Amino acid sequence: EDQVTQSPEALRLQEGESSSLNCSYTVSGLRGLFWYRQDPGKGPEFLFTLYSAGEEKEKERLKATLTKKESFLHITAPKPEDSATYLCAVKGSARQLTFGSGTQLTVLP
Amino acid sequence: NAGVTQTPKFQVLKTGQSMTLQCAQDMNHEYMSWYRQDPGMGLRLIHYSVGAGITDQGEVPNGYNVSRSTTEDFPLRLLSAAPSQTSVYFCASRPEGTSGSEQYFGPGTRLTVT
Repeated sequence: EDQVTQSPEALRLQEGESSSLNCSYTVSGLRGLFWYRQDPGKGPEFLFTLYSAGEEKEKERLKATLTKKESFLHITAPKPEDSATYLCAVKGSARQLTFGSGTQLTVLP
Repeated sequence: NAGVTQTPKFQVLKTGQSMTLQCAQDMNHEYMSWYRQDPGMGLRLIHYSVGAGITDQGEVPNGYNVSRSTTEDFPLRLLSAAPSQTSVYFCASRPEGTSGSEQYFGPGTRLTVT
């Protein structure tokens, strides 16, 4: 059974204070690891897909990296508008997404 | 394009009542799915469809029915609502044959069963 664990559950940062979110996973036959952003009262919004260990993707202040057991979402010099819940999901041989419970990020001005 | 739309946005039911959550997409996506989101548990797949006339069960299908008569619509039916079905429900779609990453989610329906 595929499993995804995200840490920390919640993170408060000052504006400009860089940090990382963690996504640990176990999966049978990884077909992709995905990061989504979810704002309160809205549906998740796709950010990145990573397929193999060593792969990195960047978008503005966000960079996602992947190893064989975990993924990190690095946030560089965050701004208050980066506040959201960040979800990690994996797709294994069953071809369906398994989501973690998310990290709620708050960036204070 | 409106993307993925869901109605209603909020709903309160009494135990034993039935209802249908509506989902529609205007992107001509073959794949559609329903998730529920509960605090501390992440999104869990209820049912999915890879095209009109084809549906299958996800991780938590009990108490829910789906049908897919058109490409655009994928309604979720609660047969006899229970308090355990209190949750936020999301519909999603994507083109079939893609990796599954770029799923487009609707805004959600918040359901409370008393």
